[in-house]
Amino acid sequence: EPEVTQTPSHQVTQMGQEVILRCVPISNHLYFYWYRQILGQKVEFLVSFYNNEISEKSEIFDDQFSVERPDGSNFTLKIRSTKLEDSAMYFCASRGLVEYEQFFGPGTRLTVL
Amino acid sequence: KNQVEQSPQSLIILEGKNCTLQCNYTVSPFSNLRWYKQDTGRGPVSLTIMTFSENTKSNGRYTATLDADTKQSSLHITASQLSDSASYICVVSAASGTYKYIFGTGTRLKVLA
Repeated sequence: EPEVTQTPSHQVTQMGQEVILRCVPISNHLYFYWYRQILGQKVEFLVSFYNNEISEKSEIFDDQFSVERPDGSNFTLKIRSTKLEDSAMYFCASRGLVEYEQFFGPGTRLTVL
Repeated sequence: KNQVEQSPQSLIILEGKNCTLQCNYTVSPFSNLRWYKQDTGRGPVSLTIMTFSENTKSNGRYTATLDADTKQSSLHITASQLSDSASYICVVSAASGTYKYIFGTGTRLKVLA
């Protein structure tokens, strides 16, 4: 059964460093999403991406964040200069054109020291 | 403001017992409501989905109800098993934009032997 995959599963970085979180969505999906979940809190929407551009973003998704689909299969989330409060689980999701269900990856745990 | 609230925040039950989790939402315009199960450190996995016209949906031991008039949903788990221990999240999709998901706060269920 097709699934969304994410790498790495755990990333540890120093404050101020850049990180890139990678996702491989389900192959025929066209809509892509990033969500984050700070430990003990609810999952929050960050950004959605369709047709090679951002279609919607939340107030969390500031200038420090960017997304890219560099090669038609990967979907990446970049944080330019990480802050302590960026420590969270980051989930990627994708969905097809017709059905609205989003399929989630297993997440990347980001720890900023 | 679009919000999804759940109760109780946490619940402990004995194996074999039933339980009911509640969800209230203020998302508008409403597209659909899903219940997800999330194991610690993992991505959410869909249990049920209901649209505006549906008021009950079952998936094995899980039965979800939806009252679109009062904007309430419940998830009933029958004959609980130890493996049911997880967070159960109510997620509402708005019928606008990119159909992003709005996550509830979750109910953490612990099933004891």
